[in-house]
Amino acid sequence: GAGVSQSPSNKVTEKGKDVELRCDPISGHTALYWYRQSLGQGLEFLIYFQGNSAPDKSGLPSDRFSAERTGGSVSTLTIQRTQQEDSAVYLCASSLIVGTSGANVLTFGAGSRLTVL
Amino acid sequence: EDKVVQSPLSLVVHEGDTVTLNCSYEVTNFRSLLWYKQEKKAPTFLFMLTSSGIEKKSGRLSSILDKKELSSILNITATQTGDSAIYLCASRNYGGSQGNLIFGKGTKLSVKP
Repeated sequence: GAGVSQSPSNKVTEKGKDVELRCDPISGHTALYWYRQSLGQGLEFLIYFQGNSAPDKSGLPSDRFSAERTGGSVSTLTIQRTQQEDSAVYLCASSLIVGTSGANVLTFGAGSRLTVL
Repeated sequence: EDKVVQSPLSLVVHEGDTVTLNCSYEVTNFRSLLWYKQEKKAPTFLFMLTSSGIEKKSGRLSSILDKKELSSILNITATQTGDSAIYLCASRNYGGSQGNLIFGKGTKLSVKP
């Protein structure tokens, strides 16, 4: 697609429920990032995918968080047994393969705003 | 540990003022520095800086990198209310953690009419 697409744009859920957030990166972008952003705060790194390499999961805050990327394209971030502190905007970004000159710039999606009641 | 520090964390100015936002980095294998502007939702790309001392300019915004001081500044002249946003800087590195990209916590700029 022309840009990075995220869905849903808004999600309200009850504490304890599972949620799935989807990211559709720009076609041809092999690097994909997930970030979390609490109100008025900076970006908190969650996970990074690069082609077929093992993902860098070092930013996932707990084992309730997981992500996968199928076919090297669409990615899903799953949060199990949601807690109120999970409320935030979840941003996805993609870039060309890291290591090439065009890989410096990330293109972000509009984010998924998660509210856990 | 690689880190990027932005200052100030927040700033309130009036229309017409000139502001300077700072970004310093301590990273291994530095490659480039990126600036983004975030209004409501998605951060949008402003500048990418790879060479020291070469100013990048776009309208009233400009930025420069100082590799000796491991820092960059973003200048906005004649600020407008539409400049109100969070400004993020990030260090793009060769290798390293977090997908070779470390973000600062951002500077929240508020421009009052």
